[in-house]
Amino acid sequence: SYELTQPPSVSVSPGQTARITCSGDALPKQYAYWYQQKPGQAPVLVIYKDSERPSGIPERFSGSSSGTTVTLTISGVQAEDEADYYCQSADSSGTSHWVFGGGTKLTVL
Amino acid sequence: QVQLVQSGAEVKKPGASVKVSCKASGYTFTGYYMHWVRQAPGQGLEWMGWINPNSGGTNYAQKFQGWVTMTRDTSISTAYMELSRLRSDDTAVYYCARGIAVAGTGYFDYWGQGTLVTVSS
Repeated sequence: SYELTQPPSVSVSPGQTARITCSGDALPKQYAYWYQQKPGQAPVLVIYKDSERPSGIPERFSGSSSGTTVTLTISGVQAEDEADYYCQSADSSGTSHWVFGGGTKLTVL
Repeated sequence: QVQLVQSGAEVKKPGASVKVSCKASGYTFTGYYMHWVRQAPGQGLEWMGWINPNSGGTNYAQKFQGWVTMTRDTSISTAYMELSRLRSDDTAVYYCARGIAVAGTGYFDYWGQGTLVTVSS
């Protein structure tokens, strides 16, 4: 089955830039989406269609795509950004099966 | 406003089945697919499948085929997810989430509050 690969953890100091990658063979053909999940809460969409930001999401969150890798960038990281981040997409084989990456724990030092 | 309200926590014995409900409000229930996602303790998100509330058509992740059943009752705007032959590693929070389709994929814009299902003898 189709898989999306993320690093398990990323650590940055406040004010720095955090970059979280997500790799998958179908990403050149399928949009990717990013969710933020804090403990005990449901996920929240922070990026859609690779690089679009939903209303209400701070401008410091951005997304980009290059080949089989998409990247979530958080500029000027704040303590409140500490959370788990998941990419999500679908395979391109026509099954309409959606899939999540394994998740990345962002630690703000 | 859009709300997805799920049923309460469940404790089940191995081999039993569980049925979780998700009541939608604030939008046209039949206009959006409903997905189910689960998250085991300390683990990541796992997509289980979707149901088209309009037609009742379903699409399950390969792992759950033959094991999960998604249904709906349009008269009360409620989706259901039933998982059978439960094992201890099915212990997880189960979420319903409204799906927005985009060109072969899509995303979740609203989520239920989650239902903890504990499988223990």
